[in-house]
Amino acid sequence: DAGVIQSPRHEVTEMGQEVTLRCKPISGHDYLFWYRQTMMRGLELLIYFNNNVPIDDSGMPEDRFSAKMPNASFSTLKIQPSEPRDSAVYFCASSMNNEQFFGPGTRLTVL
Amino acid sequence: QQQVKQSPQSLIVQKGGIPIINCAYENTAFDYFPWYQQFPGKGPALLIAIRPDVSEKKEGRFTISFNKSAKQFSLHIMDSQPGDSATYFCAASKDTGKLIFGQGTTLQVKP
Repeated sequence: DAGVIQSPRHEVTEMGQEVTLRCKPISGHDYLFWYRQTMMRGLELLIYFNNNVPIDDSGMPEDRFSAKMPNASFSTLKIQPSEPRDSAVYFCASSMNNEQFFGPGTRLTVL
Repeated sequence: QQQVKQSPQSLIVQKGGIPIINCAYENTAFDYFPWYQQFPGKGPALLIAIRPDVSEKKEGRFTISFNKSAKQFSLHIMDSQPGDSATYFCAASKDTGKLIFGQGTTLQVKP
């Protein structure tokens, strides 16, 4: 199994631009999670899905953030418009039976 | 009640030493307690996990000790090696699949 796949691995953009992060979970997993990690705030859960349905988006910082999961094998996290304070590493994780497996992350830099 | 408190924030040991990282929780509904290991530039990786029906679980050099009455659990790394230098996160969850993470412990094992 290839594990959780995220793209791009690195993204540098300018303030105000739209950013889309992509995730392919492990086949057969029924939960998908989006996290953000920074030195200041640690690992934060943004949103998670169960069987493609958003369950808890209370961690999404602002309306600028949105996430979708159109099918069991794909999810996106979109930031529009992006701001410098959104700079962080964004992780996608998927799980079955509580065991969460993380992707390699997307390092986002907003200038 | 949803918090998981982790200590220490950082830890330095000599090669061969036994670093111990502690976590405490409040919510007695938690029934799954994993530990994750994260190397720089990588996503967190599941290391070992325990459920509250046992007091100890060992996998290789890694051991979880669980004290249900005290609502505490800890990670012990036997015969630590420089390659164990990483950030370690404890976590807890109920049956929702959502993990509540501790703040992380940065471990350095000196040669």
